[in-house]
Amino acid sequence: GAGVSQSPSNKVTEKGKDVELRCDPISGHTALYWYRQSLGQGLEFLIYFQGNSAPDKSGLPSDRFSAERTGGSVSTLTIQRTQQEDSAVYLCASSLGGTHYYEQYFGPGTRLTVT
Amino acid sequence: EDKVVQSPLSLVVHEGDTVTLNCSYEVTNFRSLLWYKQEKKAPTFLFMLTSSGIEKKSGRLSSILDKKELFSILNITATQTGDSAIYLCAVDGNKLVFGAGTILRVKS
Repeated sequence: GAGVSQSPSNKVTEKGKDVELRCDPISGHTALYWYRQSLGQGLEFLIYFQGNSAPDKSGLPSDRFSAERTGGSVSTLTIQRTQQEDSAVYLCASSLGGTHYYEQYFGPGTRLTVT
Repeated sequence: EDKVVQSPLSLVVHEGDTVTLNCSYEVTNFRSLLWYKQEKKAPTFLFMLTSSGIEKKSGRLSSILDKKELFSILNITATQTGDSAIYLCAVDGNKLVFGAGTILRVKS
């Protein structure tokens, strides 16, 4: 597709359930990022994938959060045993990486509501 | 801990006004400062600044970085209602850290 896509656009889940959020980056982009944006907060970095290198997981808030990127393309962010404080908009971005790492193209986000 | 602080938190102006948005930071291993415009959910990239005193300009928007005083400003001249958005500042150090943003509302 022409841009970064994410699914679902909205997800409501009960506390304690697991959720999976999907991101399809722009074709050819080697770098992929996950962020979350809570109400009234700035974007919070979660995890970064660059090519075949080991991902930078330094932003993941707890071990309930994990992400994988299969075949250097699609990425899935998984949140296990969701808590109410996980409610946020989860944004995915991709970039060409290398010297163009900064020009990130964001997807429309997934709004997660944990009840 | 790396920190990015934006001010003001929100701003309401009339069309045609000029606005200045501020971003101050404390980060280790500074690489660059980035400005984004966020409408609805997805931010769009505006500028990347790496060197002090060099103005980046795109139409009515311009930005400059002061690495000695650790801040950047984003100027918007002749504002239009389409400029209404959240403006995010981010600093790339050991990782990308975003400020909370400035909510700009331009009234017609």
